[in-house]
Order: sequence, then structure tokens, then C-alpha cells
Amino acid sequence: NAGVTQTPKFQVLKTGQSMTLQCAQDMNHEYMSWYRQDPGMGLRLIHYSVGAGITDQGEVPNGYNVSRSTTEDFPLRLLSAAPSQTSVYFCASSYRDSYNEQFFGPGTRLTVL
Amino acid sequence: AQRVTQPEKLLSVFKGAPVELKCNYSYSGSPELFWYVQYSRQRLQLLLRHISRESIKGFTADLNKGETSFHLKKPFAQEEDSAMYYCAVNSGYSTLTFGKGTMLLVSP
Repeated sequence: NAGVTQTPKFQVLKTGQSMTLQCAQDMNHEYMSWYRQDPGMGLRLIHYSVGAGITDQGEVPNGYNVSRSTTEDFPLRLLSAAPSQTSVYFCASSYRDSYNEQFFGPGTRLTVL
Repeated sequence: AQRVTQPEKLLSVFKGAPVELKCNYSYSGSPELFWYVQYSRQRLQLLLRHISRESIKGFTADLNKGETSFHLKKPFAQEEDSAMYYCAVNSGYSTLTFGKGTMLLVSP
């Protein structure tokens, strides 16, 4: 199993550009989520999904869109990148039970100039 | 709303010294608490969950509902314990509310 994979590993954007961060998991997990990690802020939830076709907002959803057309994939779209979106983005997945371990991807380091 | 507080940004100890990383939470109902660890250049991984009452890599954590705390402890720190440690509480649908993290540095 590859676990949770994310692409790209690094990305530099200019203000106003759009892009999609890819996330995939091969563990048949129902739940998937996106977090951003900023220095001194910990990780904050952007969006999450409890299954194909079902998504909801987290703590910091503004400027991001998600969709979940398959169980395996959960892409995160930046509509119009802003310098405030410079961050490290982590995707995570887990089984339905809330006590279950969240499996994290390796992260995407995004810089917006 | 749930909140997790980790008061120390950095904790620096010598090898063999005891370690305690503090975590306090604010949560209505029965919390589900976790410690996650991020070693240098590695992805975040689960260290402990309170429901399991287990010891992993010599670390333990006890949920104290009266003090709303879930401190992480290890009696004798090792250099390989150096990492960023995050305390987190389940916020529904397996999403997590994280503390801001504590960097543990263990010197030889």
C-alpha cells in the first residue's frame, strides 16, 4: 500500500493563479481531510469529506474548494492564490470510527508570491 | 468550540532526563484525545490515543478530566525523541483540532 500520497511536493505560484493539490489514498478510507500547517499555528482544518460526494467546511475554508468524486481521491483547489495561502498542506484519511488513526500524506509546500 | 492548548513552543532537555509535554483542552462532552508526532522531514504520525491506554516508545499520557489535561510523559528522554509533538482532540467525523505544537529537543 502506498498509503496517502500528495502531489506536488513543492509549488510556487504567483498571486491570482489557480492550482489543484492532489491527494489519494489506497486504504479504502471513508473519511478524508485537508489541513494547513503554519509556523506557530499548528494544523488547521480546511475541508473534509465523509465519503464520495459529501464534503464540508472546516475552520479555514475561504479561498479553497474541494470535491470527492471517488473514495480514493480528494483534491484541494486554490481558486485565486494569495500570499496568505503560503503554507504546508497535509491531506489525511481514516476509517469511519473516530478513535481510528488518521494517516497523513507527506505534505505539499506551497509558496505564493 | 474545541480548543487545545500546548503552552510550550520549545522544550529542551538532556538525554536521560524526564520529559513532560503539556496539553490542556476545552471540549464539551467526552473528549477523544491524541498525541501526534512529526520527526524531521517525515509525515505526521499517531503516537498515542487516550482510549488505548498504551505506552509507545516509552511515552505515556493520562487523560485527567478534572484538570482537562492530557500531558505526554517519558521518564528518560532519548536523542531520537527530538521532534514536533502535537496534541489533538477529535472534532467530529475523525477531523482533529490541534494544539500549536511543542518542539522537543533532546541534547546528548
